[in-house]
Amino acid sequence: SAVISQKPSRDICQRGTSLTIQCQVDSQVTMMFWYRQQPGQSLTLIATANQGSEATYESGFVIDKFPISRPNLTFSTLTVSNMSPEDSSIYLCSARTGLLYEQYFGPGTRLTVT
Amino acid sequence: QKEVEQNSGPLSVPEGAIASLNCTYSDRGSQSFFWYRQYSGKSPELIMSIYSNGDKEDGRFTAQLNKASQYVSLLIRDSQPSDSATYLCAVNPPGFQKLVFGTGTRLLVSP
Repeated sequence: SAVISQKPSRDICQRGTSLTIQCQVDSQVTMMFWYRQQPGQSLTLIATANQGSEATYESGFVIDKFPISRPNLTFSTLTVSNMSPEDSSIYLCSARTGLLYEQYFGPGTRLTVT
Repeated sequence: QKEVEQNSGPLSVPEGAIASLNCTYSDRGSQSFFWYRQYSGKSPELIMSIYSNGDKEDGRFTAQLNKASQYVSLLIRDSQPSDSATYLCAVNPPGFQKLVFGTGTRLLVSP
């Protein structure tokens, strides 16, 4: 397994601004993932982040809105750009630690856009 | 058809009973299956993984997989109020690195 931390844990932002969420893993991992979860809803995958390559975005998510960095095997950031109230959600990062497909999640970042 | 389907519940069981949570998936080639538990206000926690047909037991939890029927289930024996949570089924689609999650089943265990 892996221990994953995220910063910030929560934030309240004004529309039109951007927020960068950091995700740190306590060991080197093969892949990292970013999800969004609306209250009472399931997880929606935003993108998959590989070290040394461009992130792979899911349908409905674009790099200009959600740029992702993965500078090394233990760290990734997700930026939510030009925010609107519709971006209010919980953002979760997860990591895959080995050859198996199981993922471990960070504690999440609760974002409120006013 | 959704890729991973779960009954949203809530599933209500009395303390000490067996809770049975079910999940179906659409891609017959899927090989890896997972159950996550999510308490309200918390992030998902991996509780079981299963890769082969049959049963896999871990403490009070048993995961069951039937690839022919495209069905995976989670049994929780001797259910406790602390088991009250949303249980998410996740499947790795063949050819992808990601997991696809169901919408989750809310379990309520009453004392």
